[in-house]
Amino acid sequence: RKEVEQDPGPFNVPEGATVAFNCTYSNSASQSFFWYRQDCRKEPKLLMSVYSSGNEDGRFTAQLNRASQYISLLIRDSKLSDSATYLCVVTFNTNAGKSTFGDGTTLTVKP
Amino acid sequence: DADVTQTPRNRITKTGKRIMLECSQTKGHDRMYWYRQDPGLGLRLIYYSFDVKDINKGEISDGYSVSRQAQAKFSLSLESAIPNQTALYFCATSDKKPTGQGNGYTFGSGTRLTVV
Repeated sequence: RKEVEQDPGPFNVPEGATVAFNCTYSNSASQSFFWYRQDCRKEPKLLMSVYSSGNEDGRFTAQLNRASQYISLLIRDSKLSDSATYLCVVTFNTNAGKSTFGDGTTLTVKP
Repeated sequence: DADVTQTPRNRITKTGKRIMLECSQTKGHDRMYWYRQDPGLGLRLIYYSFDVKDINKGEISDGYSVSRQAQAKFSLSLESAIPNQTALYFCATSDKKPTGQGNGYTFGSGTRLTVV
């Protein structure tokens, strides 16, 4: 079993739709959680950190469920420009700051 | 100029050749990393360095070596390239631990390496 697992998708949604991705992690000692966005053949870019209390940035909401060991990303009112691969990243404290990346979930938003 | 610069952007090399990928950063971060990305496999850590005198192996270090020439420079070498090292390579930096509010990695634009 992978340490960090994501549904690869692809998720194909119409503009304006709400879409949610989940990411599960296996190490209960995990400390920090992030969502990155990666456009085709480009570098990943930090989208959001994920806090225990949940956090929101415009149309994007990230939540953490430590009991069930998953994080989620909700995108409301999808735009064409949201089409990308979304990477879940988990940092395990015992690795002194190294992180494990999920394989990514691909989202395509269609007109 | 980009915060994290990788050179070259693309490279085709022959099996058995030695090749160096270079990374420089203007972020002032102490921590630097080399990752490779293969289709469907996500990013995997090759080597990382937490300061100039610190070098650590990642999960897939075999066949690779690194050099931290300065705080701002971290190079990755393939001593004798083989076809299964064909991949997209990313250099990244972070400020101390990539934990806590606002912290995370800053990636370079990547080097697309093809070994034939």
